[in-house]
Amino acid sequence: QVQLVESGGAVVQPGRSLRLSCAASGFTFSSHGMHWVRQAPGKGLEWVAVISHDGSNEYYADSVKGRFSVSRDNAKDTLYLQMNSLRAEDTAVYYCARGTHYGQAGLFDSWGQGSLVTVSS
Amino acid sequence: QSVLTQPPSASETPGQRVTISCSGSTSNIGSNYVYWYQQLSGTAPKLLIYRNNQRPSGVPDRFSGSNSGTSASLAISGLRSEDEGDYYCAAWDGSLSGVIFGGGTKLTVL
Repeated sequence: QVQLVESGGAVVQPGRSLRLSCAASGFTFSSHGMHWVRQAPGKGLEWVAVISHDGSNEYYADSVKGRFSVSRDNAKDTLYLQMNSLRAEDTAVYYCARGTHYGQAGLFDSWGQGSLVTVSS
Repeated sequence: QSVLTQPPSASETPGQRVTISCSGSTSNIGSNYVYWYQQLSGTAPKLLIYRNNQRPSGVPDRFSGSNSGTSASLAISGLRSEDEGDYYCAAWDGSLSGVIFGGGTKLTVL
């Protein structure tokens, strides 16, 4: 069955960097666009970024553009989110989610369990 | 601020029907599919409706989706206590080149 497992969440100081990983299994990873979606404590869902199945296209929410970078390693079935210049408002549970081939749709048909990132001094 | 507008809350008694609305614009709902997600307390979201009105396998037919123009709605009939949770709509927005979510609707089964 489809499984997505995030890792790398931590408590980090403002201005620092952190990289999240999402290990995928149970499906052909290289056939799917992959997303990052976050949820601040007590708040709603916020889309963060998407990368197409082959890594040729990436899109970002305005709130993270220029600071976050999404990438993937199809040989390792792993998705990454590099987060730089972190701010307090980036504090959230970060989910990876499977999307369509190119990722340009609001479809997330499988989700990981989430990884908590806390930005605090 | 969410680009898709949902009511913050909804409530109904067991066995009844409730509808949750999702209002957008021509750049999102008006030109792309709408998706609905259910998030129960303390869990990851789950896909409930895809491509406006399609149910993934395993989702009961008590859940249905529809849309018209720049608005969409999720209907839940035969409400059960286990339906209590948060519901989100989502769509690709061509102007933003990204996915947008509604703010979420907290459903209470009285």
